[in-house]
Amino acid sequence: NAGVTQTPKFQVLKTGQSMTLQCAQDMNHNSMYWYRQDPGMGLRLIYYSASEGTTDKGEVPNGYNVSRLNKREFSLRLESAAPSQTSVYFCASSASGRLWGNTIYFGEGSWLTVV
Amino acid sequence: GDSVTQMEGPVTLSEEAFLTINCTYTATGYPSLFWYVQYPGEGLQLLLKATKADDKGSNKGFEATYRKETTSFHLEKGSVQVSDSAVYFCALISGGSNYKLTFGKGTLLTVNP
Repeated sequence: NAGVTQTPKFQVLKTGQSMTLQCAQDMNHNSMYWYRQDPGMGLRLIYYSASEGTTDKGEVPNGYNVSRLNKREFSLRLESAAPSQTSVYFCASSASGRLWGNTIYFGEGSWLTVV
Repeated sequence: GDSVTQMEGPVTLSEEAFLTINCTYTATGYPSLFWYVQYPGEGLQLLLKATKADDKGSNKGFEATYRKETTSFHLEKGSVQVSDSAVYFCALISGGSNYKLTFGKGTLLTVNP
């Protein structure tokens, strides 16, 4: 039961470096999401993809780009990492973009530190 | 906009104690309400949910009742175990924002033997 799988689990970057967080789900879900989790802030939505071929900004999109590569995969790219992007990143998916009445499933998280 | 306020932690209890974690919300329209749990080193898992007023969500001995009149969704468990130690998040989806879960800040629960 893989569910939502994200890689890498841990990463340390230097300021200005770029990297891509990978996410894949095996539940044939239409919608996928990237959240970040910061101490005392709860989770905040970065970007989401309601369906294959579409992406939209969430609450905190600045400094990030996303690609919905196919139905299974949704990647998050940091083009020029900044210390403010030090966070735990969670990928998630749901059967439908209309979360009302649907369950959203989360990956195990990626711990990113920017020094 | 939508918001969720939950009691600040950390909360430390002894095994078999009664647990309450308060959660109140403001939302556009008629929200669905959720409790998520995050065990150490893991992602979030749905613990329970309720989609209309007076609904009671329950799972693993945890319960929460959707109270529209007080805009609350407090989490309760009658007898906690060490294995319940985790961070608990209250969250909502409102009719005005189908794609976005709004989370509270989380409450860390530690249960001691």
